Amino acid sequence: DAGVTQSPTHLIKTRGQQVTLRCSPKSGHDTVSWYQQALGQGPQFIFQYYEEEERQRGNFPDRFSGHQFPNYSSELNVNALLLGDSALYLCASSLLGGRVESNQPQHFGDGTRLSIL
Amino acid sequence: LAKTTQPISMDSYEGQEVNITCSHNNIATNDYITWYQQFPSQGPRFIIQGYKTKVTNEVASLFIPADRKSSTLSLPRVSLSDTAVYYCLVGRANFGNEKLTFGTGTRLTIIP
Repeated sequence: DAGVTQSPTHLIKTRGQQVTLRCSPKSGHDTVSWYQQALGQGPQFIFQYYEEEERQRGNFPDRFSGHQFPNYSSELNVNALLLGDSALYLCASSLLGGRVESNQPQHFGDGTRLSIL
Repeated sequence: LAKTTQPISMDSYEGQEVNITCSHNNIATNDYITWYQQFPSQGPRFIIQGYKTKVTNEVASLFIPADRKSSTLSLPRVSLSDTAVYYCLVGRANFGNEKLTFGTGTRLTIIP
């Protein structure tokens, strides 16, 4: 049973560049959430995708965008990178299956470490 | 969302029982309490979730008093591999589509 997988594991970019991070959810899951974790801090919610649409969004600027594909995998795009975007980016998946509510916990991948020079 | 307060760090020796307490004075009626564990350079891992009284699984126990304003995560007979950051979260039962709110967590260090 494959868990949540993210790629790449590490990435180095320079200010002003654009980056795309990828996530494959746990087998059987249909909902993907993205989190940003700065060094020494807890993860902060960026947004969540279900049925290929952004359903919820945290307090992040429009430079952060995403996409979900028909196979439930997802991408996180960040434009015009800033030094402050250096962080561990985590993807979490869960199963809604069309229900309004789900009491199943989210499963996290091990993240992509993004460094901005 | 209910705010949580937990100790910044704790130290314990191998083989001891460790209790980490989390305060959540503004917990709502339909809120659940969930604990996650995170090792360096890994994603958070779900440990346990509960609503009231006591919940136990193969990894930990969660004690929740009647007023639900606090909760205690209990790790029996810890080992060096339990060194990690532990997060206490409070939120609605629909965790599947809930935007989880993490604090800074408790950094637990196990001493040989």
